[in-house]
Amino acid sequence: EAQVTQNPRYLITVTGKKLTVTCSQNMNHEYMSWYRQDPGLGLRQIYYSMNVEVTDKGDVPEGYKVSRKEKRNFPLILESPSPNQTSLYFCASSPQQHTEAFFGQGTRLTVV
Amino acid sequence: GQSLEQPSEVTAVEGAIVQINCTYQTSGFYGLSWYQQHDGGAPTFLSYNALDGLEETGRFSSFLSRSDSYGYLLLQELQMKDSASYFCAVRDSGYSTLTFGKGTMLLVSP
Repeated sequence: EAQVTQNPRYLITVTGKKLTVTCSQNMNHEYMSWYRQDPGLGLRQIYYSMNVEVTDKGDVPEGYKVSRKEKRNFPLILESPSPNQTSLYFCASSPQQHTEAFFGQGTRLTVV
Repeated sequence: GQSLEQPSEVTAVEGAIVQINCTYQTSGFYGLSWYQQHDGGAPTFLSYNALDGLEETGRFSSFLSRSDSYGYLLLQELQMKDSASYFCAVRDSGYSTLTFGKGTMLLVSP
């Protein structure tokens, strides 16, 4: 089954404790991205990657890091999480034609 | 930069037809997409328009006018399960970010 898998689905952590949210896709897509969703603000792009070892900032990259060492994986790293990073996070992948994005099930992160 | 405007909320009754509009401002244009999201769930792809005109997929249709920087999603024969948020999204080039509107919450009542 074609899918994008994120883990964990839910996470509560404390300020400053480094964390990683994993994302994996099995569709051999070149393009992957991370979004955060906050009430009233819609989906905002954090980082994206056009292929292995190629990443770029989206609209809200501050406080986040990503890597793309393999085509299927695109982890999101929060080196020192802060409460304003409490949000619902989605990973997505697209084929090179960009006509459709496939989303993971989301990770609800709470930073206290 | 890019910006998209869509209504925050639309209400309708079962069996009716509803249209959700989206206007956009981008430095370039590569296509307009629509996504559906049920509360807390993953957005799912509905349609994509790269050229002017109407695209129909079952009960859902999407329209684009590039000259007006405008598109809409048309939902026919509304069902209760259509209650969800609907997002329009644009990409301003083939290799750039995908920018979403803030979403329209559709409430379908019996």
